[in-house]
This record gives sequence, C-alpha cells and structure tokens, in this order.
Amino acid sequence: NAGVTQTPKFRVLKTGQSMTLLCAQDMNHEYMYWYRQDPGMGLRLIHYSVGEGTTAKGEVPDGYNVSRLKKQNFLLGLESAAPSQTSVYFCASARDTQYFGPGTRLTVL
Amino acid sequence: AQSVAQPEDQVNVAEGNPLTVKCTYSVSGNPYLFWYVQYPNRGLQFLLKYITGDNLVKGSYGFEAEFNKSQTSFHLKKPSALVSDSALYFCAVRDNRKGAGNNRKLIWGLGTSLAVNP
Repeated sequence: NAGVTQTPKFRVLKTGQSMTLLCAQDMNHEYMYWYRQDPGMGLRLIHYSVGEGTTAKGEVPDGYNVSRLKKQNFLLGLESAAPSQTSVYFCASARDTQYFGPGTRLTVL
Repeated sequence: AQSVAQPEDQVNVAEGNPLTVKCTYSVSGNPYLFWYVQYPNRGLQFLLKYITGDNLVKGSYGFEAEFNKSQTSFHLKKPSALVSDSALYFCAVRDNRKGAGNNRKLIWGLGTSLAVNP
C-alpha cells in the first residue's frame, strides 16, 4: 500500500494564481483531512470530509475549497492565492487513527 | 474550551538517557489520546494511542506513553534516547462524547522539539 500520497511536493505561485492540491489514499478510509502547518502554530485543520461526497469546514477554511468526488481522493483548491497561504500542507486519512501524507510545500510570492 | 498543552517547546536529552515529552489535555469524558512524530521535512507518523485499558501504552520505535486520568496527562517516554529520535513530537486528543460529531477530528498540541545529543 502506498498509504497517503500528495501531489505536488513543492509549488511556487504568484499572488492571485490558482492551484489544486491532490491527496490520494489507498486504505479505503472514510475520513480525510487537510491541514496547514506553520512555524509556532502547530497543525490547523482547513477542511475535512467524513465520506465520499461530503465536506466540512475546519478551523481555517477561508480562501480554500475542497471536493471529495471519489472516496480515495480529497482535493484542496486555492482560487486566488495570497502570501498568507504560504505554508506546508498535509493531508490525512482515517478509519480510526489519522495517517498523514508527506506534505506539499507551497510558496506564494 | 477544549485544548491540548505541550508545556515544553524544546526538550534536550543526552543519548542513552531516558526521555519524557509532556502532554496535558482539557477534554471532557473519555477521550482517545495520540502521539505523532515528525522528522524534518516529512509528514507526521503515528506512534501510539490510548483508548482504554492499561495506562501504559507501548508504541513504535521503543516509545511508550503513560495515561493519568486524574492529572489529565499523557506523557511520552522512552527508557534510552537515540540521536535518531531527534524530531518534533505532537500530542493529540479526540473527543468521543456523543454530540462531538462522528468525524475523527483531533485537537492538537503545538508540538515539542526533542534534541538528543550524542
């Protein structure tokens, strides 16, 4: 099993550009999550999903959208990137315990 | 408000010595408790969890954690530290009460950086 994978690993955007981060899991987990990690702020939940076709807001959802059209994939979109969205983004999936992907390092100039 | 505290930003320990990384929580009921480790430029890896039963939980890489309900603590321990244990450690808690939502969401501590010196 590959577990949780994320693409891309790195990305540099200019302010105002859009992009989509892809998270895929092959463990048949119902629950999926998107976090951002910033120095000194720990992990903050952006959005999450409790099953295919469902999404819900986390602590810091503004500026992001998500979709869960297939059970194994959870997409995170930035419609108009801002420098404040420079961060490392992690996806996780869970049946009971959350398992994490390797992360995407995003820089917005 | 529900919260998880890791009172030490950084812990330094000599290789071969025992280590403890502290975690306390403020979550009602009987929460599930987790420890994760993050090595530099990597994702978080699950170490261990407490659900119920024996207060001492054993996990990966020789780590264990002690649950203390009266002190609402879940400290991570290892009898003999290795240089390769140097990493960022996160404590997390899941509220399992009815009404908390069936979403497996975790409440996270801010992390403790462990440095093991040779």
